Amino acid sequence: NAGVTQTPKFQVLKTGQSMTLQCAQDMNHNSMYWYRQDPGMGLRLIYYSASEGTTDKGEVPNGYNVSRLNKREFSLRLESAAPSQTSVYFCASSATSARGASPLHFGNGTRLTVT
Amino acid sequence: ELKVEQNPLFLSMQEGKNYTIYCNYSTTSDRLYWYRQDPGKSLESLFVLLSNGAVKQEGRLMASLDTKARLSTLHITAAVHDLSATYFCAVDRDDTDKLIFGTGTRLQVFP
Repeated sequence: NAGVTQTPKFQVLKTGQSMTLQCAQDMNHNSMYWYRQDPGMGLRLIYYSASEGTTDKGEVPNGYNVSRLNKREFSLRLESAAPSQTSVYFCASSATSARGASPLHFGNGTRLTVT
Repeated sequence: ELKVEQNPLFLSMQEGKNYTIYCNYSTTSDRLYWYRQDPGKSLESLFVLLSNGAVKQEGRLMASLDTKARLSTLHITAAVHDLSATYFCAVDRDDTDKLIFGTGTRLQVFP
């Protein structure tokens, strides 16, 4: 029972490099989310997708793009990485939108370092 | 803009003691969530509170919601070491699907 799977688990980038963080869920959830977690700042929402084909900005979208490829997959792309994007990134999904009051199921996170 | 604040940010408590973590939020919402995160791990859902006056309990943890005061509490009864973790509350705005998290409360329980 995989749940929410994120790849890669660890990544080191140089400033200016690009990369895509992959996320897939096998729970047939409608909503998917990308958060970043930094010490002392909790989790901050980058982008979310309420359903296949829709995406919306969260609290800190600058420097990121997302793609909801299908119902299962939601990817996060850094076009030109910056040291400020060093963080732990979590993907999450929920059965309905947050308005439907279903808790989020989180992946195990991607630890990204930008030098 | 929805803001979610937790206090305290750090809590060191002795086994067997009781304590409360507070979560305040800035806009109207009837839905509040509590999550737990162990060091280096992902987050797991603890409670979903859906209406004013909602109370839920699981083991030594009890969560409540007062939507009029825009306040939720997570009460810890007779703490044990296994409860050591970081606890987050999260709130979604009434008119969007954005789930906003508080900064977290790091709980450390010592003998």
